[in-house]
Amino acid sequence: DAKTTQPNSMESNEEEPVHLPCNHSTISGTDYIHWYRQLPSQGPEYVIHGLTSNVNNRMASLAIAEDRKSSTLILHRATLRDAAVYYCILNGGATNKLIFGTGTLLAVQP
Amino acid sequence: NAGVTQTPKFQVLKTGQSMTLQCAQDMNHEYMSWYRQDPGMGLRLIHYSVGAGITDQGEVPNGYNVSRSTTEDFPLRLLSAAPSQTSVYFCASRDRVVTDTQYFGPGTRLTVL
Repeated sequence: DAKTTQPNSMESNEEEPVHLPCNHSTISGTDYIHWYRQLPSQGPEYVIHGLTSNVNNRMASLAIAEDRKSSTLILHRATLRDAAVYYCILNGGATNKLIFGTGTLLAVQP
Repeated sequence: NAGVTQTPKFQVLKTGQSMTLQCAQDMNHEYMSWYRQDPGMGLRLIHYSVGAGITDQGEVPNGYNVSRSTTEDFPLRLLSAAPSQTSVYFCASRDRVVTDTQYFGPGTRLTVL
């Protein structure tokens, strides 16, 4: 199973952009890159996912390196409600084996 | 739609007892999973399923059994509870067809004494 590496923690100020990095040097050609986040005392929730091209949705943007060995989740304007653990996960093909890892704890300062 | 429901929300067991954590989804998703989350840690995959009658082991399957007799239900059985199984258990259901999004239940907080 391909693994991902994320920083343990990051800090941001409210209203500023946040760039959360993820390294996945052993990614295979069929692996999609998924991002989930977990707010305190809640189950994880989907944020965004992509394969090769950059992706945008109402929550965030996903920038994928050209060689696909790394990606960055971008929160354009952090709010206090974005304080959570963010998980970068790889999954390809028909398997449902989504391995979460330890994620990045994002703290947002007012 | 109720989404993913889990029962019970809280449970206290004694060492050696068995129990079943229930998980149900009403979204007609083929893919379902069970995770555990220990305090201050990430989620670890216990078992997963890609459809009725099909299950497979995740990262930490020992001490747990699953079955998938219907699309809607995916119960997790603890055979003989141990203190090391004290954790929060999350069930998830995944839309593999349209959005490839995984939806999580609210969790079951289990304490084994």
